[in-house]
Amino acid sequence: QKEVEQDPGPLSVPEGAIVSLNCTYSNSAFQYFMWYRQYSRKGPELLMYTYSSGNKEDGRFTAQVDKSSKYISLFIRDSQPSDSATYLCAMSAPGGFKTIFGAGTRLFVKA
Amino acid sequence: EAGVAQSPRYKIIEKRQSVAFWCNPISGHATLYWYQQILGQGPKLLIQFQNNGVVDDSQLPKDRFSAERLKGVDSTLKIQPAKLEDSAVYLCASSPVFIYEQYFGPGTRLTVT
Repeated sequence: QKEVEQDPGPLSVPEGAIVSLNCTYSNSAFQYFMWYRQYSRKGPELLMYTYSSGNKEDGRFTAQVDKSSKYISLFIRDSQPSDSATYLCAMSAPGGFKTIFGAGTRLFVKA
Repeated sequence: EAGVAQSPRYKIIEKRQSVAFWCNPISGHATLYWYQQILGQGPKLLIQFQNNGVVDDSQLPKDRFSAERLKGVDSTLKIQPAKLEDSAVYLCASSPVFIYEQYFGPGTRLTVT
């Protein structure tokens, strides 16, 4: 079993839709949860991070962490064609342990 | 603020040849990472440096891969000899203090034929 599972998609939605991206994990020591966006032929860029459980909102993006279910989500409201990219979840334990990335979900937002 | 710089951007080599990648992190960032990203997969950590020292190299194939960070700034990753399965994008990242805040370079796309 992989430490982090993420559906690779692709996920195709119309412009303006609400997008839900999810990851599950197995290591209960994870405390830092991140979402990165990666455009084609570019390096990942950090979108949001959350420490421990709860929700965090930044503009059209909302990150949720449910540690009891070992499940994290990223919601994108009013999706735009410019949101078309691969979204990577990532997580790490305190103390400087390495970050584990999911495989990424490819998202296509159609105009 | 300048981002993480990597070179070359693309490299094609034959198996059993050697190759080296270079990374210049964001100024002042103490931690530097090298990741391998195979097509359709997430980045996998190869090695993590804290200043000059190695923090984690548990997933670095040490029989063929080596990395160094000179004077706690620039870093090079070398593969010798390359295998077909080394075809991937090699990403360099740096972070100031907290591990969650990693800044990635554009990557080097390696094709081994």
